[in-house]
Amino acid sequence: AQTVTQSQPEMSVQEAETVTLSCTYDTSENNYYLFWYKQPPSRQMILVIRQEAYKQQNATENRFSVNFQKAAKSFSLKISDSQLGDTAMYFCAFLAYDKVIFGPGTSLSVIP
Amino acid sequence: DAGVTQSPTHLIKTRGQQVTLRCSPKSGHDTVSWYQQALGQGPQFIFQYYEEEERQRGNFPDRFSGHQFPNYSSELNVNALLLGDSALYLCASSYWTSGRDEQFFGPGTRLTVL
Repeated sequence: AQTVTQSQPEMSVQEAETVTLSCTYDTSENNYYLFWYKQPPSRQMILVIRQEAYKQQNATENRFSVNFQKAAKSFSLKISDSQLGDTAMYFCAFLAYDKVIFGPGTSLSVIP
Repeated sequence: DAGVTQSPTHLIKTRGQQVTLRCSPKSGHDTVSWYQQALGQGPQFIFQYYEEEERQRGNFPDRFSGHQFPNYSSELNVNALLLGDSALYLCASSYWTSGRDEQFFGPGTRLTVL
């Protein structure tokens, strides 16, 4: 069975600081995609960053970057220069054969 | 370019009733997936539609059914509602061929079953 685990239910970070959210997953597939989604209180699920499993280079999108360790099945998200608008639920997700499996989420609060 | 839209925004039903939720995919997308997100949890995959057929299904009972129309829009139907069906229902769209690696989500429909 494919599963996604996020071991940090809640996290907080001071504005302008850096925070890392953890994610591990379990799969027997070799070709898959990994994502981090952000869901603010408005409920809209927004894609933050994605990683193709066949790419060794870690994905980066502005202040967001990932540390992808395929052998360890680990996919952490680093947010640099945290902003108040980063406050949201963050979901790690795994996609194989068109079905997206989500983790339970990490609630991130950015403190002014 | 309109993104994924869902209607209604909120819905209140009583146990035993039936409900229909609607989704219009992002322009150019031909595949629609539905997810159930209980309060405080991550979304759970319900099923996916492409070419008006259900292509994949998650671990949900037959009370959950769907439909896709020729214009790629989709409906989610839930019969014999239970209190546990109260959740946010998310629709996501994607391309069946290229771009299948990313799904775009709608704002969701909040269903409350009393």
